[in-house]
Amino acid sequence: KQEVTQIPAALSVPEGENLVLNCSFTDSAIYNLQWFRQDPGKGLTSLLLIQSSQREQTSGRLNASLDKSSGRSTLYIAASQPGDSATYLCAVLPLNTNAGKSTFGDGTTLTVKP
Amino acid sequence: DAMVIQNPRYQVTQFGKPVTLSCSQTLNHNVMYWYQQKSSQAPKLLFHYYDKDFNNEADTPDNFQSRRPNTSFCFLDIRSPGLGDAAMYLCATSRDLGEGQPQHFGDGTRLSIL
Repeated sequence: KQEVTQIPAALSVPEGENLVLNCSFTDSAIYNLQWFRQDPGKGLTSLLLIQSSQREQTSGRLNASLDKSSGRSTLYIAASQPGDSATYLCAVLPLNTNAGKSTFGDGTTLTVKP
Repeated sequence: DAMVIQNPRYQVTQFGKPVTLSCSQTLNHNVMYWYQQKSSQAPKLLFHYYDKDFNNEADTPDNFQSRRPNTSFCFLDIRSPGLGDAAMYLCATSRDLGEGQPQHFGDGTRLSIL
C-alpha cells in the first residue's frame, strides 16, 4: 500500500527566504506526482505535475523535483512571499491502479512572515 | 474562470437530516471524484465516476451516496449525517484514468453538522 509522508507538518520562514518542502512515498511505481496548494477553507490548486519519466518541473518561483529510486520529491520555493503562506500537499498516482486513485500526504503548512 | 464548481461553499445541516452537495465541471472530463477532508488531514477518496460507472471505495460508509446524471454534474448525498461527517468535501475531475492525468479540484464545500 502506497504511503505518502510530508515532513515537517508546519514551517515558518521570514519573507525572502528560499525553502524546500519534502514529500516521500513508499512505492516507486507511480504514474506521476502532483503538488497542490491549499488556502484555508478552500480547495486544492494544482501547482506542478511531474510525470514518472521526468526529473523536475518549474513554474515561476517554484521548482519540483522527483527521484523515484529514493521515493522522494521536493518543492523548492524561491524568494518566499507572505502570499505563499498556505498548506502544500503532494499526491502520487500509483501505476497499479486503473482507478486514478491518488494517495495524498497530510501536507506542510507554510507561514511566510513579512 | 472556474472549471470545477462546487455549491454551496458552506452547508449547515442538522444531525440526521439528509444533505446534498453539488459539483459541476466545464472541462468535459470523464472522471469525477469526491473526497472528504478533515482538518489537517489528507483528502480521503470516497468514490469516483468514470463516465457513468460508479466506483465506491471499500471503506466509504453506506451513508454516502453519489449520482452523476450527466457528464457535467455530480452530487454527493449524505443520507443521515452524523457529527463525524463534518468536513470539507472536495470534488475533482480528470480527463481519464490510468494515464497519469492531473486532477482539477473545486473550492470545496465545508459541511457543518448541528
